[in-house]
Amino acid sequence: NAGVTQTPKFQVLKTGQSMTLQCAQDMNHEYMSWYRQDPGMGLRLIHYSVGAGITDQGEVPNGYNVSRSTTEDFPLRLLSAAPSQTSVYFCASKRTGGTYYGYTFGSGTRLTVV
Amino acid sequence: GQQLNQSPQSMFIQEGEDVSMNCTSSSIFNTWLWYKQEPGEGPVLLIALYKAGELTSNGRLTAQFGITRKDSFLNISASIPSDVGIYFCAGQFSNDMRFGAGTRLTVKP
Repeated sequence: NAGVTQTPKFQVLKTGQSMTLQCAQDMNHEYMSWYRQDPGMGLRLIHYSVGAGITDQGEVPNGYNVSRSTTEDFPLRLLSAAPSQTSVYFCASKRTGGTYYGYTFGSGTRLTVV
Repeated sequence: GQQLNQSPQSMFIQEGEDVSMNCTSSSIFNTWLWYKQEPGEGPVLLIALYKAGELTSNGRLTAQFGITRKDSFLNISASIPSDVGIYFCAGQFSNDMRFGAGTRLTVKP
């Protein structure tokens, strides 16, 4: 089925470990983004990309890196995990241009840093 | 950064009742969107609003884009148990989309 695929669904890390959260979409969407969701705070934008080779910071980028080598993939890297990065992470994509601006979201990665 | 204030935080209602929730911002947005999130899933788009004053319906859901471009509301009529979930407003300006903190809706049969 077409959509946004995130892996893994669950992950536990020790403080200081690094890891990459994977995100792939098969809808040929130009725009991709990463959000984190914390209780009572809605979704906050970490990084986004408007196309292959182009990335930019969102509201809460510290401690995270991204790259966009292909249209389909937008991995999120945690460089040195901290307990404050315990959260649910969502990847989302959308077309740019036209009148439809809604995102398609993945089902999330629940990350716990101990 | 742009902040969205969404209210109420939670609602407990009886099946069949109508529901109203809203979002306000100190900043102007070009687009307002409303999403619903169910447990273990990502948000799913319900309604998108593209111009000030626009009123749009999707079944029992109705949403409006405020005239000032700084607010939006969502109404759900005749609620049913499957309306349970967290509803998020989102405002978009250029490539930046910001979300409200969500309204958690519980519907008692």
